[in-house]
Amino acid sequence: GAGVSQSPSNKVTEKGKDVELRCDPISGHTALYWYRQSLGQGLEFLIYFQGNSAPDKSGLPSDRFSAERTGGSVSTLTIQRTQQEDSAVYLCASSPGTRRTGELFFGEGSRLTVL
Amino acid sequence: AQSVTQLGSHVSVSEGALVLLRCNYSSSVPPYLFWYVQYPNQGLQLLLKYTTGATLVKGINGFEAEFKKSETSFHLTKPSAHMSDAAEYFCAVSEENYGQNFVFGPGTRLSVLP
Repeated sequence: GAGVSQSPSNKVTEKGKDVELRCDPISGHTALYWYRQSLGQGLEFLIYFQGNSAPDKSGLPSDRFSAERTGGSVSTLTIQRTQQEDSAVYLCASSPGTRRTGELFFGEGSRLTVL
Repeated sequence: AQSVTQLGSHVSVSEGALVLLRCNYSSSVPPYLFWYVQYPNQGLQLLLKYTTGATLVKGINGFEAEFKKSETSFHLTKPSAHMSDAAEYFCAVSEENYGQNFVFGPGTRLSVLP
């Protein structure tokens, strides 16, 4: 498809398990973002990839969170030893590049529920 | 560092009434400003954006916003609310620097009453 694709759309897991969330950005977009949206809350920045540059990880809430982007395209957000407070919608967005005028194109999100 | 505030986490209007959602920002450089809308169980989509030039920008679904530098504001308006406008609205600011380019406000939930 032409848009940002995220999978799974819904994930229910038990506390302590690891989860992987996938994001497939729009083809040709060099910038990729992960945000977290907790119930009734705004968007919390997690991590930002731009081309081959080192990612900006300043928003990752703990060392249980990590992300990688392979080949400048698909990205995976990994949460290890999940906790109940990790329950949220994880949104991925991509952008054409570093130009300030670039808008973000969002996927529909992955809803994570930790029991 | 830039920041965005949105006055009112929840706004209710009657169908056909004026919609006004407030956004104020802080930025050390001329900002680029955005409004995004999020319908239930969906991702965010761009409503409109200000980059340079005309300070009154028009977006989709009859929305518009005006950049007022002196007030550091970028309020979103629509003359007549429709039931389909019920959603969450996010204001965002962008600056050109390395790293995270976009900062989002906390969002305003718009309810439209029949």
